[in-house]
Amino acid sequence: GAGVSQSPSNKVTEKGKDVELRCDPISGHTALYWYRQSLGQGLEFLIYFQGNSAPDKSGLPSDRFSAERTGGSVSTLTIQRTQQEDSAVYLCASSLVGASGSGANVLTFGAGSRLTVL
Amino acid sequence: AQSVAQPEDQVNVAEGNPLTVKCTYSVSGNPYLFWYVQYPNRGLQFLLKYITGDNLVKGSYGFEAEFNKSQTSFHLKKPSALVSDSALYFCAVRDKGYQKVTFGTGTKLQVIP
Repeated sequence: GAGVSQSPSNKVTEKGKDVELRCDPISGHTALYWYRQSLGQGLEFLIYFQGNSAPDKSGLPSDRFSAERTGGSVSTLTIQRTQQEDSAVYLCASSLVGASGSGANVLTFGAGSRLTVL
Repeated sequence: AQSVAQPEDQVNVAEGNPLTVKCTYSVSGNPYLFWYVQYPNRGLQFLLKYITGDNLVKGSYGFEAEFNKSQTSFHLKKPSALVSDSALYFCAVRDKGYQKVTFGTGTKLQVIP
C-alpha cells in the first residue's frame, strides 16, 4: 500500500480482556517496528521484526504482550488480560533495510491505534 | 545499549528567531541519527537523517542538524522559526550494525507569534 495502515484506530476495552492490534506495512519494507506512546510521554520501543523474525523483543513490557509477523508483511500485536496502564497509542512503523537512497533507513509511521482500558 | 537524550521538555522561541532543539546520543558503534516531528493530532513524520558524509544535513521545511562526533550531539536547528513549526520533535538513533531504533523523550517546540 501507499502507507502504513493500522487498525483499529481506536479501541476501548474492559480490564482483563484481550486485544489485537494490526499493522499493514508498506509493501517491500522488510523491517517493522512497534512503539508505544503514552500521554505526554516519548516513544517506547516494544519490538522490531526483520522479515518474520524478531531479533529484539526487549521492549515488550511483560509476558502479556506478544507480536507476530507473517509472510514478511502484516504484523499483529496482542495484549492479553489488559490493564489500565496499557492505555496508550500503539504505533507501527516500517522501513527499507540495506538500501541506498533518500528513503533508506527511514521509518514510515502509521497513524496509530489508541487503546483505552477501562 | 543505545540511548538518546533530549534535555529540554519544551523550547519556546519567538517567531522569526533562530531555534535549536538539543539531542545527544550514545551508541557502541557508528550512529545513524534522525529527527522526526509530530504535529498535533497527526502522525510522526521524518524530517532529516545523518548516515555518513557531511556533518551538516538539511531536511524538510528548512530544518537542518549538525552531527558532532566528539560531543555525541545532533542538534536540530532552523534559522527563522515559524508559528507552524510548533510541534513535538523526536531525535532517534540507530547503531549502524543493528536495526533497533531508539527515540528520545521528545521536545515540545512552541513558536510564539
